Amino acid sequence: DIVMTQSPDSLAVSLGERATINCKSGQSLLYSSNNKNYLAWFQQKPGQPPKLLIYWASIRESGVPDRFSGSGSGTDFTLTISSLQAEDVAVYYCHQYYTTPRTFGQGTKVEIK
Amino acid sequence: QVHLVQSGAEVKKPGASVKVSCKASGYTFTSYHIHWVRQAPGLGLQWMGMINPGLNSTNYAQKFQGRVTLTTDTSTTTVYMELSSLRSDDTAVYFCARQTMAVWGQGTTVIVSS
Repeated sequence: DIVMTQSPDSLAVSLGERATINCKSGQSLLYSSNNKNYLAWFQQKPGQPPKLLIYWASIRESGVPDRFSGSGSGTDFTLTISSLQAEDVAVYYCHQYYTTPRTFGQGTKVEIK
Repeated sequence: QVHLVQSGAEVKKPGASVKVSCKASGYTFTSYHIHWVRQAPGLGLQWMGMINPGLNSTNYAQKFQGRVTLTTDTSTTTVYMELSSLRSDDTAVYFCARQTMAVWGQGTTVIVSS
């Protein structure tokens, strides 16, 4: 199974400041034949299902604010919230869809400082 | 509009089975596979398996192999997840999600308690 490891486990950021979450996979998620990274990011608020934010490591899902961005390739990926808003308080998960079993990171809780 | 609507909460005794439904609407049912993901209280997301309704093919996580069964009913555009030999650590919210995981069901709470 591909192990996904996020850091940090929790993060407190002031409103309007940048939040950065890292995700490391146990093997490369870059598929050479199409040069795509099979990595997604989700946001989950209490009592709700996860919400897809980013796929192919850096493509924002329709409707997702542009303060959310994804970067990275291979085994190291980053989700950045450029200017944290109150509504961004949530747990964020990275997810690999390179192979089955699909696996998720353990989650990073983002709070307001 | 694409929707996945799941069945209601369940309370089961250890050793029993539970069957959760996920009714799809707003798209061609057989064109997209459905994943099942669970989340134990206060914990992270765990992928259980997926089914291709068009081919009726399945792919299960090793952890659940032999205990989970995914089935479909194309006449009602519904996917079912049955989990058997329930244990207390199967207490969780169970979600269905469409292929890219851009669309999720609302979740079904399953409590396993004697």
